[in-house]
Amino acid sequence: DAMVIQNPRYQVTQFGKPVTLSCSQTLNHNVMYWYQQKSSQAPKLLFHYYDKDFNNEADTPDNFQSRRPNTSFCFLDIRSPGLGDAAMYLCATSSSFGTTDTQYFGPGTRLTVL
Amino acid sequence: AQKITQTQPGMFVQEKEAVTLDCTYDTSDQSYGLFWYKQPSSGEMIFLIYQGSYDEQNATEGRYSLNFQKARKSANLVISASQLGDSAMYFCAMREHHSGGYNKLIFGAGTRLAVHP
Repeated sequence: DAMVIQNPRYQVTQFGKPVTLSCSQTLNHNVMYWYQQKSSQAPKLLFHYYDKDFNNEADTPDNFQSRRPNTSFCFLDIRSPGLGDAAMYLCATSSSFGTTDTQYFGPGTRLTVL
Repeated sequence: AQKITQTQPGMFVQEKEAVTLDCTYDTSDQSYGLFWYKQPSSGEMIFLIYQGSYDEQNATEGRYSLNFQKARKSANLVISASQLGDSAMYFCAMREHHSGGYNKLIFGAGTRLAVHP
């Protein structure tokens, strides 16, 4: 089945220690998104790739960066995680060629910062 | 600016009963799309149903239907014959179009549904 995969599902890091979260997709979608979701809140868009073009949200901290080496993979790098960065990180994909632009989400990575 | 409002922080329903989750939206666009997602405690956001602004029929997907009232700007989710596995957080979202050809989702605050046996 076509899907969005995120690894790892759970990640524990130390304050200030860089961490990378991974997302891959078999849907062949051209748009990939990264969201941050804190407890009992709606997901907050951090940035997205439209094909190879990177689009950062205005309020995304510089501490968060992303890479998309090819259509299938996208990475979220947190350079110096703080306690406030503990959250669920959701990757999503969509196709700009469809009629609905439905975003399909992966299972998420729950990040703990000690 | 576009906005999604979900006024019910929590709802509960008896197993096998139907439940309606409310969603109202605000937009000045003529063309827009509305989505409902389910998020169980595991964290994954599961796409449930989509309604386009020009769709004349209410969307249905199995036990899920969307009660779309365009003039009232509401897009309520109806779950028929509730099951214990329906217990989750439900988010209503709207597609916001940006220049450059990409779309962004605007989410409501969510409604937590508990299904009781």
